[in-house]
Amino acid sequence: EPEVTQTPSHQVTQMGQEVILRCVPISNHLYFYWYRQILGQKVEFLVSFYNNEISEKSEIFDDQFSVERPDGSNFTLKIRSTKLEDSAMYFCASNRDRVSYEQFFGPGTRLTVL
Amino acid sequence: KQEVTQIPAALSVPEGENLVLNCSFTDSAIYNLQWFRQDPGKGLTSLLLIQSSQREQTSGRLNASLDKSSGRSTLYIAASQPGDSATYLCAPWQAAGNKLTFGGGTRVLVKP
Repeated sequence: EPEVTQTPSHQVTQMGQEVILRCVPISNHLYFYWYRQILGQKVEFLVSFYNNEISEKSEIFDDQFSVERPDGSNFTLKIRSTKLEDSAMYFCASNRDRVSYEQFFGPGTRLTVL
Repeated sequence: KQEVTQIPAALSVPEGENLVLNCSFTDSAIYNLQWFRQDPGKGLTSLLLIQSSQREQTSGRLNASLDKSSGRSTLYIAASQPGDSATYLCAPWQAAGNKLTFGGGTRVLVKP
């Protein structure tokens, strides 16, 4: 069964460093998303992406964040200058259609900022 | 702004008992609602998607109901098993905005 994959599973970085989190969505899906979950808190929406552009972003998704679909399979989230409060589990998700189809989530990347 | 609340926050039941998990949301203008399962330190597994036009959706031992006008959904798990122990999250997809909004989850423990 197709699934969303994410790499790495765990990333440790120093404050101020740039990180890139990678995702491979399900191949026939058109909509892509990033969410994050700080330990013990709710899952929060960051950004949605369709047709090679951002379609929606939350207030969390400031200038330090960017997303890209560099080729036909990968979808990346870049954090330019990490802060301690960026430590969280980051989930990638995708679906075929926003309304009729469920979103499928990847296993997540645990980001630890020291 | 959509607010999603799940009650109870935690639930412990003996094996075999039926589970009832509640989800309420403040903005009823939704396209659909998804229920997820999350195991500790893991990703989200989609359990059920219920469209805004539906009242119920069933998958095996799982049944989800939706009352859009009153902003409520309920997930029923029949004949619970220890393997059902996990956190269950509900997330409506709202018409305004291209995103799911998550509740805080109900942490379920099924004791053998």
